[in-house]
Amino acid sequence: NAGVTQTPKFQVLKTGQSMTLQCAQDMNHEYMSWYRQDPGMGLRLIHYSVGAGITDQGEVPNGYNVSRSTTEDFPLRLLSAAPSQTSVYFCASSYGTAAGGYTFGSGTRLTVV
Amino acid sequence: GESVGLHLPTLSVQEGDNSIINCAYSNSASDYFIWYKQESGKGPQFIIDIRSNMDKRQGQRVTVLLNKTVKHLSLQIAATQPGDSAVYFCAENDGGSNYKLTFGKGTLLTVNP
Repeated sequence: NAGVTQTPKFQVLKTGQSMTLQCAQDMNHEYMSWYRQDPGMGLRLIHYSVGAGITDQGEVPNGYNVSRSTTEDFPLRLLSAAPSQTSVYFCASSYGTAAGGYTFGSGTRLTVV
Repeated sequence: GESVGLHLPTLSVQEGDNSIINCAYSNSASDYFIWYKQESGKGPQFIIDIRSNMDKRQGQRVTVLLNKTVKHLSLQIAATQPGDSAVYFCAENDGGSNYKLTFGKGTLLTVNP
């Protein structure tokens, strides 16, 4: 049981490049979310999904796209990377209404130069 | 190294002491609260949760207290150990939706041997 798997673990992008951060979970969780973590800011919600085919914006969605074609996968796309998107990105999944909150992946550290 | 600890409130305790980490939440409609622990270079890890119809919940060496009147949450760790050194986050739901969480900025706990 792998839990929540994020790839890559580290990435350096040039300004204007695009890329996709991958997230997969094997727990059959309905709910999945993407957060970014910056120093002194805690975790901020980028996008979330309540099931396959359904996504919605969180607190800081600008510059990011998501899709949820399957229950297992929830990729995060950076359309045109900017230095302000330098951060640590966490994907998380949950049953939603059950106790235990979210299970988090180990994160992707992204640097945009 | 991991920079998530910068600019955070800090708590330093001696090994074996009890620790109390506090959190003020903002949304009076929130009805589900979670404490997470984050070690350097890792994703947040679930510790304990509590629903708004309770004011106290105990786990193994941890207790969460909820005061809805003043919108305050606390995490008590008994007999703190060096392995408890980490950043601790409280999170609240979006009032009725357990999948949309808002995180606090975190507290860095350092346990001195």
